[in-house]
Amino acid sequence: SQQGEEDPQALSIQEGENATMNCSYKTSINNLQWYRQNSGRGLVHLILIRSNEREKHSGRLRVTLDTSKKSSSLLITASRAADTASYFCATDLLTGGGNKLTFGTGTQLKVEL
Amino acid sequence: DAGITQSPRHKVTETGTPVTLRCHQTENHRYMYWYRQDPGHGLRLIHYSYGVKDTDKGEVSDGYSVSRSKTEDFLLTLESATSSQTSVYFCAISGGTGRYGYTFGSGTRLTVV
Repeated sequence: SQQGEEDPQALSIQEGENATMNCSYKTSINNLQWYRQNSGRGLVHLILIRSNEREKHSGRLRVTLDTSKKSSSLLITASRAADTASYFCATDLLTGGGNKLTFGTGTQLKVEL
Repeated sequence: DAGITQSPRHKVTETGTPVTLRCHQTENHRYMYWYRQDPGHGLRLIHYSYGVKDTDKGEVSDGYSVSRSKTEDFLLTLESATSSQTSVYFCAISGGTGRYGYTFGSGTRLTVV
């Protein structure tokens, strides 16, 4: 089964609203990363949060990490139509990770005008 | 995507034929990865490399082999293609997941008929 599971699977909002997506994972991590994928394209790295960090910001993105609950959330504020994409969390495992990431199944975000 | 290219972008092949996909990087990164992406499964790791001639299996390695004879090139071979290997294949590179994210290629859409 997947190390990371995103919730919800799909999300539809209006432009200007905030979008929140969540990721849960099973085993201890070094860090957790979020990626965006536009339709038919490769994934793009958005942000990396380390296990000793609780919150991180990058532009309109805010990521939180709760290691006690093994969960993370990605908040996109003031969403735009261009934010329409799939968003994936990925975990870098604390042990046995071997410098490779395990990806979740993603959240499909649709931002409507 | 800057620094990483995949070829071909699209390929249709017949069941039972061997197929080789190529990933080329200009970033001199140590780590290279092959993932496949299928609906409902997210990205699953096929094989990865942690240096020239150093490779290891991922979670879905059956039916695939890899080679890395130079830092910049990582080849994925489907030894005898099957319809279940119809997928989108992504190559990624990293300087080490403890500090950096992945940079992905644009993907290869492979159809096995």
